[in-house]
Amino acid sequence: QVTLKESGPALLKPTQTLTLTCTFSGFSLSTSGMRLNWIRQPPGKALEWLARIDWDDDKFYSTSLKTRLTISKDTSKNQVVLIMTNVDPVDTAKYYCATLGPDAFDIWGQGTMVTVSS
Amino acid sequence: SSELTQDPAVSVALGQTVRITCQGVSLTTYYATWYQQKPGQAPLLVFYGKNTRPSGIPDRFSGSSSGNTASLTITGAQAEDEADYYCMSRDTSVNHFFGTGTKVTVL
Repeated sequence: QVTLKESGPALLKPTQTLTLTCTFSGFSLSTSGMRLNWIRQPPGKALEWLARIDWDDDKFYSTSLKTRLTISKDTSKNQVVLIMTNVDPVDTAKYYCATLGPDAFDIWGQGTMVTVSS
Repeated sequence: SSELTQDPAVSVALGQTVRITCQGVSLTTYYATWYQQKPGQAPLLVFYGKNTRPSGIPDRFSGSSSGNTASLTITGAQAEDEADYYCMSRDTSVNHFFGTGTKVTVL
């Protein structure tokens, strides 16, 4: 059974750095073709793709956020970490990690809510 | 362009057919992926590629594409289909992006 679970701080102040961890099981991120993505969703708003890391350590970032994001993986721990610097209240959202493929291998975590407020 | 535009809301009578559309330049190159999201839940993949429905998704869900427009059709909508629906696509740089979302109400 494949599962993903996000963890991170529930509350941050503006300008702080957000570190989110996705801990997964049921597959290996060292297997060819595997990847993990981060997506967020502000309350009542649409989904927004943030970043992706592939099995071969290729990394891809949202054009609008790439200067603030860093994605990395620890294959031995089955974890993927997303770091977002200089957070702002507009970064308040539920943050999901998800496989988004390949093909029907589309598994999402339950998401973790992050609020940025002074 | 990374924009995918969807109608904000559509309604359908129980048992009738509804089509949800998604427009964007990337759809002339890549097929859309469709997600269903119910309140408080993570999105669920309901259709992807040219013509693929994941295991466990009812066959009343179907997809199509023409030019810069992708569509998800629910034929014989059920009460449990009431949800938000998002399309997703990508560009040549592997950036992914989601549509603006469509709220489907089943009357």
